[in-house]
Amino acid sequence: AQKVTQAQTEISVVEKEDVTLDCVYETRDTTYYLFWYKQPPSGELVFLIRRNSFDEQNEISGRYSWNFQKSTSSFNFTITASQVVDSAVYFCALTETGANSKLTFGKGITLSVRP
Amino acid sequence: KAGVTQTPRYLIKTRGQQVTLSCSPISGHRSVSWYQQTPGQGLQFLFEYFSETQRNKGNFPGRFSGRQFSNSRSEMNVSTLELGDSALYLCASSLVSGVYEQYFGPGTRLTVT
Repeated sequence: AQKVTQAQTEISVVEKEDVTLDCVYETRDTTYYLFWYKQPPSGELVFLIRRNSFDEQNEISGRYSWNFQKSTSSFNFTITASQVVDSAVYFCALTETGANSKLTFGKGITLSVRP
Repeated sequence: KAGVTQTPRYLIKTRGQQVTLSCSPISGHRSVSWYQQTPGQGLQFLFEYFSETQRNKGNFPGRFSGRQFSNSRSEMNVSTLELGDSALYLCASSLVSGVYEQYFGPGTRLTVT
């Protein structure tokens, strides 16, 4: 069965600090997809990134970067020079392929960025 | 393009009643998934509909059901409400079923008293 673990529950940083959110996953499939979503206080989940299991290239998008390592089953998310607007709950999620694929979320990490 | 819309946004019901929640996906999206979010259990998958057929179902009792219409709009129904059903119910749409990214609506906050 697929599983996503986000061991960090709450992180608090001061603005402009870099912060890394950890995500470890479990799956028996060789083909799978990983995602990160952001849930700001307004409540609506916002899609950030989708990565398939065959693409281990790191990705950078502005202040956001993602490090995917199959060897450690991790898909970590780093925010560089954090801002107050980054305060939110961040979810890592996994879906396997196949007829019964479904998105499984981690418990989420609450990030607070203080001015 | 308009995002995923959900109605109503807030709902208060009494134990034993039933409730129907509605979701309109992004135009052109044919897959709709439903999730329940609670502080204790986090985000849990309820079911997914694609082309009016239930494609997958999570571990929820039969009191939770859904359907999808030919225009891809979806409804979920919860019968015989229990206090533990109080949650944020999120709907998400994606282009097709399976592994594509899902776009979420603002959710319906259901309170059961």
